[in-house]
Amino acid sequence: RKEVEQDPGPFNVPEGATVAFNCTYSNSASQSFFWYRQDCRKEPKLLMSVYSSGNEDGRFTAQLNRASQYISLLIRDSKLSDSATYLCAVNSRKGGGGGADGLTFGKGTHLIIQP
Amino acid sequence: GAGVSQSPSNKVTEKGKDVELRCDPISGHTALYWYRQRLGQGLEFLIYFQGNSAPDKSGLPSDRFSAERTGESVSTLTIQRTQQEDSAVYLCASRPDPDFAPHEQYFGPGTRLTVT
Repeated sequence: RKEVEQDPGPFNVPEGATVAFNCTYSNSASQSFFWYRQDCRKEPKLLMSVYSSGNEDGRFTAQLNRASQYISLLIRDSKLSDSATYLCAVNSRKGGGGGADGLTFGKGTHLIIQP
Repeated sequence: GAGVSQSPSNKVTEKGKDVELRCDPISGHTALYWYRQRLGQGLEFLIYFQGNSAPDKSGLPSDRFSAERTGESVSTLTIQRTQQEDSAVYLCASRPDPDFAPHEQYFGPGTRLTVT
C-alpha cells in the first residue's frame, strides 16, 4: 500500500455543487495532515491543516478519520475558481521518504468545476 | 513578508551539461526541502536540510544530484551531466523550526528545467 493515496480524478462538478474527496494514508503514527491546492503550472499552496476535531474554513471542511486512516476535503457551493489539483500531505518519520518530520504528498485529485 | 524564492524560473539546457538551481527560504525557517515534480505527477522528495544537522539525502535519485545549504539560508541543487529524464519542475519548500511550529511547508514557485 502506498504511503499516501488519492483518487486522481478528474472530478467534473457543476458550479454550485458540493464535492468531497478522500486521501488514505498507511502510517498509523502520522500526526499532521494538510490539504494543499496546486493550480496548473504553479507551486502547491497550503489550503488548510486537518485537525483531529475537524476544521472548517468558509466553504471548505477538512476531517480526519484515524480509525480508517483517511482525511477528507469537502467543498460546498463550488466556484469556477476552485478548479485545481488538491494534494493531501501527511507527516512522515525520518527515513520515511519525506525528510525528518517531513511531509509525504499524495499525487493529487484533479477537480474541474464546470459552468 | 517575502516568501520562498527560486531562481531561475526556467532553465533550458543541453543533455550532459551541469545545472545549478537556487532557493532562498523564508527568513527564519530552519528546515528546507527540495522536491521534483514531473509533468502530471506528484511531488517526489529529494533532500532535506534542518539547521546544522547532516542533510537527509535519501530521496536523491542518483549521484548526479547534490545539494548544499549555507547555514539557515540559501540552498543550491546541482545536477551534473543532465539527462532528459531530469526534465521537471524543481520545487523548494521551507518550514519554521519544528520545535515551535507544525509541519506545514511553504513552497517557492519552482524552477522548470528542460533538458534537450
